Amino acid sequence: DTEVTQTPKHLVMGMTNKKSLKCEQHMGHRAMYWYKQKAKKPPELMFVYSYEKLSINESVPSRFSPECPNSSLLNLHLHALQPEDSALYLCASSQQGYTYEQYFGPGTRLTVT
Amino acid sequence: AQSVTQPDIHITVSEGASLELRCNYSYGATPYLFWYVQSPGQGLQLLLKYFSGDTLVQGIKGFEAEFKRSQSSFNLRKPSVHWSDAAEYFCAVGADGNEKLTFGTGTRLTIIP
Repeated sequence: DTEVTQTPKHLVMGMTNKKSLKCEQHMGHRAMYWYKQKAKKPPELMFVYSYEKLSINESVPSRFSPECPNSSLLNLHLHALQPEDSALYLCASSQQGYTYEQYFGPGTRLTVT
Repeated sequence: AQSVTQPDIHITVSEGASLELRCNYSYGATPYLFWYVQSPGQGLQLLLKYFSGDTLVQGIKGFEAEFKRSQSSFNLRKPSVHWSDAAEYFCAVGADGNEKLTFGTGTRLTIIP
């Protein structure tokens, strides 16, 4: 089973709202990733968790706050977002880091109004 | 640092015709190479990967790719495309000691009847 699930599928939020995106995998993978993807562009890496510890933060604004409660779950907490943050947010997981392929979830389509 | 170039932004192919999508990478050592496919509004699906060994790799959905070190290329091929192959295709490269995947800008594939 190579499935990564993400909820919700769609999210509309105002600039003063607080919301969270959730990601789950049951493949025993120890690395998990958040990407942001704008239309007609490749995914842009935001965060990497390796063995439940944040290993990479690609200088993402603090209005995005990742959390890895356990090895199967990854959250992205959103607060005071801007309209330009509207995008498809993708979660991915891999056995461990660079030497293994990443498996992606279907994404959450986020619209900030 | 590694980089990936996909020279073709958009390719149109007739259904049943053969397909080749180009990917060139830049990296000093042996790279880890991947092809992903993304349908509109969906996540990325791994088509195939190359780590080492046989330079011709087979993937899902009838796709194959050939690693050519001398040309720094990893082109994706399919002998006969189907209308369902219409999508965005991303080439990606990983590297030793680096948890990041670097994605190319993508090639959009259109299939005409």
